Amino acid sequence: ETGVTQTPRHLVMGMTNKKSLKCEQHLGHNAMYWYKQSAKKPLELMFVYNFKEQTENNSVPSRFSPECPNSSHLFLHLHTLQPEDSALYLCASSQVGGGQGSPLHFGNGTRLTVT
Amino acid sequence: AQTVTQSQPEMSVQEAETVTLSCTYDTSESDYYLFWYKQPPSRQMILVIRQEAYKQQNATENRFSVNFQKAAKSFSLKISDSQLGDAAMYFCAYRSRARTSGSRLTFGEGTQLTVNP
Repeated sequence: ETGVTQTPRHLVMGMTNKKSLKCEQHLGHNAMYWYKQSAKKPLELMFVYNFKEQTENNSVPSRFSPECPNSSHLFLHLHTLQPEDSALYLCASSQVGGGQGSPLHFGNGTRLTVT
Repeated sequence: AQTVTQSQPEMSVQEAETVTLSCTYDTSESDYYLFWYKQPPSRQMILVIRQEAYKQQNATENRFSVNFQKAAKSFSLKISDSQLGDAAMYFCAYRSRARTSGSRLTFGEGTQLTVNP
């Protein structure tokens, strides 16, 4: 079992649908992240949660709504998305505190297609 | 704000040969971390190697090593004895040590590495 698990692996949704992406980490980390990976663009940080508190929202549109009920689980709720939101969404976790060199551990991502 | 640039969208190497992937970054900070991540077709980003800016010695992990040139803000990755399993997208990433930056990673655009048998 990988340290960071994301479901579903693939998701196709219409612009009027509501869906959620799920991420679970089994590493005992205290920080979790959502990244968006689009073709031919650097990974874009969307949200950061430290100890379940959102510490960063990188100007993400409100049609993306994160939720972090505890340090092990992270959700990304999606509604009324646009075709340009089609991308690979990566979840990551890390241990914050002490030395900040703790690397991020990533999941396998959810490939989202908005039709 | 920090930026990370990978000027090689694609690279190829023959199996068992050596290849070097380039990365440059821009920052006004003196203390930070640099990473190389690998993303194979499975899509999972895997940490390859990490460098702390205050350490002059270049990091090494088995067949992977870096050439860290702090003054030039350059952080290249050398893969020796390339294997078919090394084929992947490679990303260079920067992290500040400033507390206000938290754990934010800034990524480059990536380099797609092909390993030819």
